[in-house]
Amino acid sequence: DIQLTQSPSFLSASVGDRVTITCRASQGISSYLAWYQQKPGKAPKLLIYAASTLQSGVPSRFSGSESGTEFTLTVSSLHPEDFATYYCQQLNSYPLTFGGGTKVEIK
Amino acid sequence: EVQLLESGGALVQPGGSLRLSCAASGFTFSSYAMSWVRQTPGKGLEWVSGISNSGASTNYADSVKGRFTISRDSSKNTLYLQMDRLGVEDTAVYYCAKHRVISYYYGIDVWGQGTTVTVSS
Repeated sequence: DIQLTQSPSFLSASVGDRVTITCRASQGISSYLAWYQQKPGKAPKLLIYAASTLQSGVPSRFSGSESGTEFTLTVSSLHPEDFATYYCQQLNSYPLTFGGGTKVEIK
Repeated sequence: EVQLLESGGALVQPGGSLRLSCAASGFTFSSYAMSWVRQTPGKGLEWVSGISNSGASTNYADSVKGRFTISRDSSKNTLYLQMDRLGVEDTAVYYCAKHRVISYYYGIDVWGQGTTVTVSS
């Protein structure tokens, strides 16, 4: 099974900060990686698919990139509504797996 | 409006069975791969099972293989998860999820509101 190691697991930041979250895959997954945002009591929301493609309706301050088996989600300038937990998911092969999550909290 | 509505969550004793249902609307159900994803309270997401758009191909997480069965009925626009030999470790919120396209490669773009399964004596 493909393991996804997400870091950091917790991040404290301020409104306006640039934030970067990393997801490392245990083996190659091509570009079949997605990023989700989840707020308490809500279902996850798709932000990025195919490593770097922005889902329709998602603000352009969110972006994704890849380098080999390392994937990055960047928020260029944190808005108040961006404080949430973020997950990566590999969709290259079954079983599909998620990273452990990164909780972004207000500093 | 694209919508997924789960039902069937309940309190069940260890060793028991439960069937979850997910009613889909607002899109052509037979054109998309579907999955079940669960989340233990306060913990992360765990993909549980997936099924191809036709229903011909199914896949499972190792933790549920041999105990859970995913299926779909396109005539009813409904996804199912039959859960047998439930253990306390299966306690979670279960989400029904629609993949972006016919295959599973490009993420999950629609999620249900979740249904709670509690396994306890």
